[in-house]
Amino acid sequence: RKEVEQDPGPFNVPEGATVAFNCTYSNSASQSFFWYRQDCRKEPKLLMSVYSSGNEDGRFTAQLNRASQYISLLIRDSKLSDSATYLCVVNYNNAGNMLTFGGGTRLMVKP
Amino acid sequence: GAVVSQHPSWVICKSGTSVKIECRSLDFQATTMFWYRQFPKQSLMLMATSNEGSKATYEQGVEKDKFLINHASLTLSTLTVTSAHPEDSSFYICSASRRLNQPQHFGDGTRLSIL
Repeated sequence: RKEVEQDPGPFNVPEGATVAFNCTYSNSASQSFFWYRQDCRKEPKLLMSVYSSGNEDGRFTAQLNRASQYISLLIRDSKLSDSATYLCVVNYNNAGNMLTFGGGTRLMVKP
Repeated sequence: GAVVSQHPSWVICKSGTSVKIECRSLDFQATTMFWYRQFPKQSLMLMATSNEGSKATYEQGVEKDKFLINHASLTLSTLTVTSAHPEDSSFYICSASRRLNQPQHFGDGTRLSIL
């Protein structure tokens, strides 16, 4: 079983749609959680950190459920520019800041 | 602006060549940097943790003699792919964070193609 699992997609949605991604992690001792966005042939860029209380940044909302060990990302009012691969990332070792990446979920927003 | 700089961004070379990739933290000191590799349509896989002033820590399955890491200063880590072969062709990315527990910032990545 992978340490961080995501549905690879692709999720094909029309502009303006709301789309949600889920991610599950296996290590209950995980400390920090993030969503990164990666465009084709580019490096990952931090989209947002994920907190237990849930957090929102504009059209993006992230939730963490420690009991069920899953993380979600909700994108409202999808834009064409949201098309990318979204990586769920978990930090197992705060002392070392090492990250473990999910396989990514590909989103394609169409006109 | 960029927080972590990586150079070169693209390398094409013959099989057997050694290739050095640099990763710099631009406005902060990074005692720890990380090197990742990403094959097409796959996620990033951690190769090694680069520690300033000491030996790197390699992940299982990563040959330390093939992927030489040097972290000689607080702002620079280098990854040298020695005697590269076509199967080493990949996207190599480094990362660092300003402080412990803060999100990682990634370099632009180096696309390595071995002919």
